[in-house]
Amino acid sequence: DIVMTQSPLSLPVTPGESASISCRSSQSLLHRNGDNHLDWYLQKPGQSPQLLIYLGSFRASGVPDRISGSGTGTDFTLKISRVEAEDVGVYYCMQGLQAPLTFGGGTKVEIK
Amino acid sequence: QVQLQESGPGLVKPSQTLSLTCNVSGGSISTGGYYWTWIRQFPGKGLEWIGYTDYSGSTYYNPALKSRVTISVDTSRNHFSLRLTGGTAADTAVYYCARTGYCMGGRCYRFDYWGQGALVTVSA
Repeated sequence: DIVMTQSPLSLPVTPGESASISCRSSQSLLHRNGDNHLDWYLQKPGQSPQLLIYLGSFRASGVPDRISGSGTGTDFTLKISRVEAEDVGVYYCMQGLQAPLTFGGGTKVEIK
Repeated sequence: QVQLQESGPGLVKPSQTLSLTCNVSGGSISTGGYYWTWIRQFPGKGLEWIGYTDYSGSTYYNPALKSRVTISVDTSRNHFSLRLTGGTAADTAVYYCARTGYCMGGRCYRFDYWGQGALVTVSA
């Protein structure tokens, strides 16, 4: 199975500042068609996960442009610019290249 | 707006079968083009992909669970279901149903709609 490793585990942020979350995979997620099969999800407190980013860098419908995904191969980053209170929750990366699909352990973002 | 809603017993005895249903509204499963998926979240918050079905009943399972899992679809009722046999405490989790339009074999991405989740506890 592909192992997904996120860091940091916890990320306290000040409103208005930026935050970055790292996700590394044990194997390259780059498909031969050039797509990186890496999604980002946010689970807000008491809610189910919601899609933020797919294929490494494509924003899902309704996701603000201050949230962005980047990276290729085995190293990926989710960046949140100008953090707001609504951004708190646990962020998960997920690889979709190879069955079984696997998730990172999560990064908890909280407001300082 | 598509909505998914899980339902089923919240308590299952050890060795018994865990059964859940996901009711889909705001769209028809029989239209095709989507993959109807089960994902679970353990008490420690880790997420595990269980598998999916499409509208025709074609399935793909997590190899680690394959011997115990059945995912089925009922297009007449616009729902799909999960059965997990031989329940143990390790199966205690919140079970989510979700939808994606992007699967090829066991490769999927872009889960755009999720249910609210159903807590299932396996305990005597």
